[in-house]
Amino acid sequence: NAGVTQTPKFQVLKTGQSMTLQCAQDMNHNSMYWYRQDPGMGLRLIYYSASEGTTDKGEVPNGYNVSRLNKREFSLRLESAAPSQTSVYFCASSEGTRGRGAFFGQGTRLTVV
Amino acid sequence: EDQVTQSPEALRLQEGESSSLNCSYTVSGLRGLFWYRQDPGKGPEFLFTLYSAGEEKEKERLKATLTKKESFLHITAPKPEDSATYLCAVQGAGTASKLTFGTGTRLQVTL
Repeated sequence: NAGVTQTPKFQVLKTGQSMTLQCAQDMNHNSMYWYRQDPGMGLRLIYYSASEGTTDKGEVPNGYNVSRLNKREFSLRLESAAPSQTSVYFCASSEGTRGRGAFFGQGTRLTVV
Repeated sequence: EDQVTQSPEALRLQEGESSSLNCSYTVSGLRGLFWYRQDPGKGPEFLFTLYSAGEEKEKERLKATLTKKESFLHITAPKPEDSATYLCAVQGAGTASKLTFGTGTRLQVTL
């Protein structure tokens, strides 16, 4: 019962470097999300995918790109990392229907120096 | 734009001392209000969904209630293992199942 799996768990990048955060879910959910969590700001939506083949911007998409590779996998890419992107990143998935709660992964703690 | 405000920011209780956490919200067409628990270094863990005013849900020492403007998470006779951050989120109509979160209430229960 893995649920939502994120890799890596920790990462340190230098300013300007790129990286991809990976996320996979095994619950056959239609919708997937990427959030970032910063102290005092709560969870903010970066991008989401309502269903396979679609992606849309959330509240804070600048500096990020996403790919919905298939129904299971949703990746988040930082093309040129900046210190402002230091955060904890969470992937989540849900059935995508009315009122169904989202299930979260364990998070990726990213530091950009 | 959907908005969620949680209060208090932090709450310290003694074991057995009951209290309530508040979640005030504005949303265009509520599809669901969600409560999550988050432990340090972990992802949020789903607790409850409430759909309409007047609805209540219970799980062990936790009870969630919903009105048209706010939700309460009542904690009865808490134990130290209830210590965590509790997050509230709303899902509005036409938002493709996106959740808007509050900043959470950090609960500490001491012996």
